[in-house]
Amino acid sequence: EVQLVESGGGLEQPGRSLRLSCAASGFIFDDYGMHWVRQVPGKGLEWVSGINWNGAAMDYADSVKGRFTISRDNAKNSLFLQMNSLRAEDTALYYCVKAGHSSTWYSFLDFWGQGTLVTVSS
Amino acid sequence: EIVLTQSPGTLSLSPGERATLSCRASQSVNSNYLAWYQQRPGRAPRLLIYGASSRATGIPDRFSGSGSGADFTLTISRLEPEDFVAYYCQQYGSTPLTFGGGTRVEIK
Repeated sequence: EVQLVESGGGLEQPGRSLRLSCAASGFIFDDYGMHWVRQVPGKGLEWVSGINWNGAAMDYADSVKGRFTISRDNAKNSLFLQMNSLRAEDTALYYCVKAGHSSTWYSFLDFWGQGTLVTVSS
Repeated sequence: EIVLTQSPGTLSLSPGERATLSCRASQSVNSNYLAWYQQRPGRAPRLLIYGASSRATGIPDRFSGSGSGADFTLTISRLEPEDFVAYYCQQYGSTPLTFGGGTRVEIK
């Protein structure tokens, strides 16, 4: 059974940093691209960032480019999101999501974690 | 960036009725790489449809996807009580990945 468990969320002040983690199990982690998608409670879904199977390729939404960094540790079946220069508009539930295709990381998203809540406020 | 517009924003129907949800793209979606997700309150989204018309594992056959180019549809043939929730489309044919704003199906 695929499991994605996020951690690292919490309350942080504007301008500060947070590091999100996602522990993956139940599939061959280094066969798949991974993504972060966020959702303001009660609102829609926003893709944040994605990374390919070996970490050599990644992409970001314009809203986080230059502030967030995605990475992965295949030896530990883990995905990360380093969030710097946080803004109030980064407040959201952050989901760790598995790409559905093994051949490309730009894919539909077939398994989602339960999310970790990030709140940016002074 | 491809903008996805979902309509209607809210759909009011009764159990047993047919639901038709629309997702329109600002430009053609490469290879019809369009997915649909269902999201229940307080839960993570669940993949329903990928490649515009392929049902994900375990999805009941009352859910079907159709369309091509820039115009896509999710149809729920007979609404069950658990289907009255939110639905999102997503394109993965080009960067960045984008989602539609969602359609909420509510009980009339």
